[in-house]
Amino acid sequence: DAGITQSPRHKVTETGTPVTLRCHQTENHRYMYWYRQDPGHGLRLIHYSYGVKDTDKGEVSDGYSVSRSKTEDFLLTLESATSSQTSVYFCAISERGVETQYFGPGTRLLVL
Amino acid sequence: KQEVTQIPAALSVPEGENLVLNCSFTDSAIYNLQWFRQDPGKGLTSLLLIQSSQREQTSGRLNASLDKSSGRSTLYIAASQPGDSATYLCAVILTGSNYKLTFGKGTLLTVNP
Repeated sequence: DAGITQSPRHKVTETGTPVTLRCHQTENHRYMYWYRQDPGHGLRLIHYSYGVKDTDKGEVSDGYSVSRSKTEDFLLTLESATSSQTSVYFCAISERGVETQYFGPGTRLLVL
Repeated sequence: KQEVTQIPAALSVPEGENLVLNCSFTDSAIYNLQWFRQDPGKGLTSLLLIQSSQREQTSGRLNASLDKSSGRSTLYIAASQPGDSATYLCAVILTGSNYKLTFGKGTLLTVNP
């Protein structure tokens, strides 16, 4: 299995609070991605990174920001959590973008 | 906008049966197509990747085909086993998309002993 960890694995928070999810990789892959998975919508891309400090928006980026200050870490921040951001969040990595994406175990986030 | 559709949404088969899962996409300008497996409460596991220039890929009991011109891919599973029960997702990378994957919503497969 690719070396990808996500933390925390589970989180319960209240509406209006900031939340940061961390993705950590040990593979030295260039590309990193954040997805959310919801019933009826499937997996949707939030943000992605194609290098240190190089990030771009995905399909559902409103309300989310990201940062990547080093190759191995990609942070996803919900500036002010809302109930609509209750979801399962997956991080993925890819060596050169066109290659296979490897997924982390996911973070279950509940916003009350 | 690229759309990926998987039919059926759910499939139940008896153990030992050969089966086919379908995936269709609207824009044929793709880099590749990937098939993933997801077990309940788990992350995704990559099964097969087919480059746009390829017609098929095989891994064990799995065979994936790609017909880019018609916007279709199939995942063939031979001699299904209860351990194959999972959700199967296909995803494509559209050329010029900066390598972003677009996913279908998946097919939930149940293999009954």
